[in-house]
Amino acid sequence: EVQLVESGGGLVQRGGSLRLSCAASGFNFRIYSMQWVRQAPGKGLEWVAYMTSDERTIYHADSVKGRFTISRDNAKNLVFLQMNSLRAEDSAMYYCARSVQFGLDVWGPGTTVTVSS
Amino acid sequence: QSALTQPASVSGSPGQSITISCTGTSSDVGGYDFVSWYQQHPGKAPKLLIYEVTNRPSGVSNRFSGSKSGNTASLTISGLQGEDEADYYCFSYRTSATLLFGGGTKLTV
Repeated sequence: EVQLVESGGGLVQRGGSLRLSCAASGFNFRIYSMQWVRQAPGKGLEWVAYMTSDERTIYHADSVKGRFTISRDNAKNLVFLQMNSLRAEDSAMYYCARSVQFGLDVWGPGTTVTVSS
Repeated sequence: QSALTQPASVSGSPGQSITISCTGTSSDVGGYDFVSWYQQHPGKAPKLLIYEVTNRPSGVSNRFSGSKSGNTASLTISGLQGEDEADYYCFSYRTSATLLFGGGTKLTV
């Protein structure tokens, strides 16, 4: 079964850091681009970051640029989101998703990040 | 990064058809065929309905269809069913290494 499962969310103080992980299974992870998307409580979806399979192309949203970093470990079928200098507005459900021509065809259930002030 | 423009809400009766629009610019929707659509039920992860403007993944009902004209993409749902009641989002690549979602549309059946 094709599956993505996020982990690493939790409660963190403003200015703190978290590292989210996303474990992939059931497909050839190393040939797919991956993305992170977030959704604040009661709000719409917000794109966060994108990385190609070969790690040569990386994009981050302006709202997280310089604070968040997407990375991956193709040997372990993992994608990460390192989040530094966290702000209250970063509180959200964070989803990782498999990317095909920028479409997001497989999603994880999400992990919740709460930034306390 | 401004979101793509979607109507906040649409409604329809069972069996009817509805269309949700997604308006961008020539730098995103109008300039690339990387437009996709997602359905999200409360408390659930989004689900891909349409990719590359018109393509439907296997397993997605053929009641869902996508199109594009100029800077506006559209999602049409025909033969509305109660289970279609959900939030819908468009998503597009934009010039300068950016991707962005629409603000979302709440469909009431």
